[in-house]
Amino acid sequence: DQQVKQNSPSLSVQEGRISILNCDYTNSMFDYFLWYKKYPAEGPTFLISISSIKDKNEDGRFTVFLNKSAKHLSLHIVPSQPGDSAVYFCAASRHGSGNTGKLIFGQGTTLQVKP
Amino acid sequence: NAGVTQTPKFQVLKTGQSMTLQCAQDMNHEYMSWYRQDPGMGLRLIHYSVGAGITDQGEVPNGYNVSRSTTEDFPLRLLSAAPSQTSVYFCASSSTTRGRAEGYTFGSGTRLTVV
Repeated sequence: DQQVKQNSPSLSVQEGRISILNCDYTNSMFDYFLWYKKYPAEGPTFLISISSIKDKNEDGRFTVFLNKSAKHLSLHIVPSQPGDSAVYFCAASRHGSGNTGKLIFGQGTTLQVKP
Repeated sequence: NAGVTQTPKFQVLKTGQSMTLQCAQDMNHEYMSWYRQDPGMGLRLIHYSVGAGITDQGEVPNGYNVSRSTTEDFPLRLLSAAPSQTSVYFCASSSTTRGRAEGYTFGSGTRLTVV
C-alpha cells in the first residue's frame, strides 16, 4: 500500500520554464511534508518542507504547495536550470508517539531540464 | 565535517552470506534510519531509531536487523542475504525540532548485489 505516490516517473522541461512536480498521499494523518533531490551516485539532499498548517512555503526558486483536502502537494521550480536535473522525492510524516522520525517516501520523479 | 558516513560503498554477496552495513554520523543527531532504493519503488524505510537503545521497524524490515548502542552508529545487518536484497541502501540522520525529525541528512549509499 503506497501511502505517498508520485505518478509521473519523469518530466522534461526547457531551461527557464517552470517545472511542476506532483505528489499525492493517502494517509490523512500525515502532517509534515518534504521534498528531496537526488543526483546519481549520491544520497538524497533535503530541499524544502511544509507543515500541514500552511498551504505554501517558498525558498528561492522552489515553492511547495499543499492542498490538504485533495491530499496533494506540488513542487514548483521557477526558473528551471539544467543543474536542477535530478530525481525528486516527496516524503511525508505524521506526528505522535512512535511516528516521529519516520519518513515515508514516494517513488520519485526524474526531472530533465534541457538547455 | 563528515556528516553521514556509510561503508562499504559497494559489496557483492553470495546468497546465504551475512554482512553488516556500517553507518556513522558526527552531528549528534537523535534520529537515524535505513532506507533501500529500488527502481520504481522509491525509498522504502527498513528500520529507524529515535535514540540510543531505541529501534523500530519500518515498511520492509524482514531479513534485516539493527541496533543503536551509541548515538553515532547505526549498523544494518543482513542475516542471510537473498537476491531480493540487491539494492542501494541509504543511511540517514536528523536532529529534532519540537519533537519532530527535520530534514534528514543522507549518506552516499551502499550498492549491494546478492548473487
